[in-house]
Amino acid sequence: EVQLLESGGGLVQPGGSLRLSCAASGFTFSSYAMSWVRQAPGKGLEWVSAISGGGDTTYYADSVKGRFTISRDNSKNTLYLQMNSLRAEDTAVYYCAKGEYTGGASAFDIWGQGTVVTVSS
Amino acid sequence: DIQMTQSPSTLSASVGDRVTITCRASQSIRSWLAWYQQKPGKAPKLLIYKASTLESGVPSRFSGSGSGTEFTLTISSLQPDDFATYSCQQYNNYWTFGQGTKVEIK
Repeated sequence: EVQLLESGGGLVQPGGSLRLSCAASGFTFSSYAMSWVRQAPGKGLEWVSAISGGGDTTYYADSVKGRFTISRDNSKNTLYLQMNSLRAEDTAVYYCAKGEYTGGASAFDIWGQGTVVTVSS
Repeated sequence: DIQMTQSPSTLSASVGDRVTITCRASQSIRSWLAWYQQKPGKAPKLLIYKASTLESGVPSRFSGSGSGTEFTLTISSLQPDDFATYSCQQYNNYWTFGQGTKVEIK
C-alpha cells in the first residue's frame, strides 16, 4: 500500500526551529518529486516547497524562502522540512504529498495524514 | 505568481442536485489543473488532474472541464458522501491552490 507518514510537529516559540519528516512506503520513492503543503486553521491549502526525485532541485513559496529547507534521503525513503525562524503565521497542519508523475510538475496523488505545527509563546 | 480564484466560496445543495464549481487562473495554465476533495480533519484527495482526467477510483459523477484560465468541476448528482470542501490547484508554474469551495447540505 502506498503510504506517507509525517512526524515532527509540535509547539514551538516564535523564532524557533522544527524539523518535519515524512516516511514513504509502497512506491519507488526516488522516482517521484515530493512536496510539502500546509493548511492554517480554517484556511485553504498552501503549497510550501517541493524537491525533485533525485533531490538536486528544490522549490519554495515566497512565504518560506530563506527560512525553510526541503531535503530527502532516498536511502531511507524519507522527506524532510527544516523550518527555522518560525512565525505565528506558520501555524498549520503540514502535509507531505507525492507527485503523480515521475517527470515534470504534476498533481499530488498521495497525501500523508498531516502533522500539526503551532508557533506560539 | 499565478493566482487561483474559486467561486462560490460556499454552496448549499441537496442530494441529487447537479453542482458546478468554477476556478479561474490569473494567467493561462493550459490544462495543468487538478481538483481535490477534503473532509474535516482529513488530507485532501485527488479527484481530477489535467483539467478533465478522472483519478482512478473516483466516481464518474465527478467531471472536470476547461483550459487556459477558466475551469469547472461538476458533480452530476450530489451524494451524501460528497459534502466536503473542493479545491483547485494549478501546476503549470510551481503550484497554487484556490481558496476552496465548501459544499454544504441545504
